[in-house]
Amino acid sequence: AQSVTQLGSHVSVSEGALVLLRCNYSSSVPPYLFWYVQYPNQGLQLLLKYTTGATLVKGINGFEAEFKKSETSFHLTKPSAHMSDAAEYFCAVSAPDGSARQLTFGSGTQLTVLP
Amino acid sequence: DTAVSQTPKYLVTQMGNDKSIKCEQNLGHDTMYWYKQDSKKFLKIMFSYNNKELIINETVPNRFSPKSPDKAHLNLHINSLELGDSAVYFCASSQKRSSGNTIYFGEGSWLTVV
Repeated sequence: AQSVTQLGSHVSVSEGALVLLRCNYSSSVPPYLFWYVQYPNQGLQLLLKYTTGATLVKGINGFEAEFKKSETSFHLTKPSAHMSDAAEYFCAVSAPDGSARQLTFGSGTQLTVLP
Repeated sequence: DTAVSQTPKYLVTQMGNDKSIKCEQNLGHDTMYWYKQDSKKFLKIMFSYNNKELIINETVPNRFSPKSPDKAHLNLHINSLELGDSAVYFCASSQKRSSGNTIYFGEGSWLTVV
């Protein structure tokens, strides 16, 4: 079984400040990890994903995340927040066991960017 | 050139009615999904089809019936709607059912049951 915990359902940052959204996972096997973003009244869009290889993953819109196995974490960061980053962010995990079962999502973190 | 499109985007209906949500993807993907997002933004998979074959059927009331006429379409029919069915329903697709593949989501269908 796998699960995801996103610490902080709401995060507020000032424009230009560092964005840090936390995600911890639980998985019995090395996981695949994803961050999705949901803008108001829209569907989910993939920001980045980790499957294998380099543990620091760069995504769209200047976001990146680092897979830390020892900490079971996959935190999302962006050096400088922009107003357009305000959205809901979801961390998700899947198990690379070839099964059809797909993503297990975290409960989401609402990011507010203050002017 | 929308990748995953679903209709209608908004749907308000009375309890007891039957309604359908249609979904189409033009990405050539083999696998399609229905996800439900509740009022607390929690996302959970409902169904998954691979090449028109049902491969995931989570614990969903049998009032919900997916239908896949071909691998580019996955429709969701809901009978005898209840207040608790109010949610956002997302259609999605991926290249294959491998768990590392990116899942592409539609823009959602906001269902309100009154």
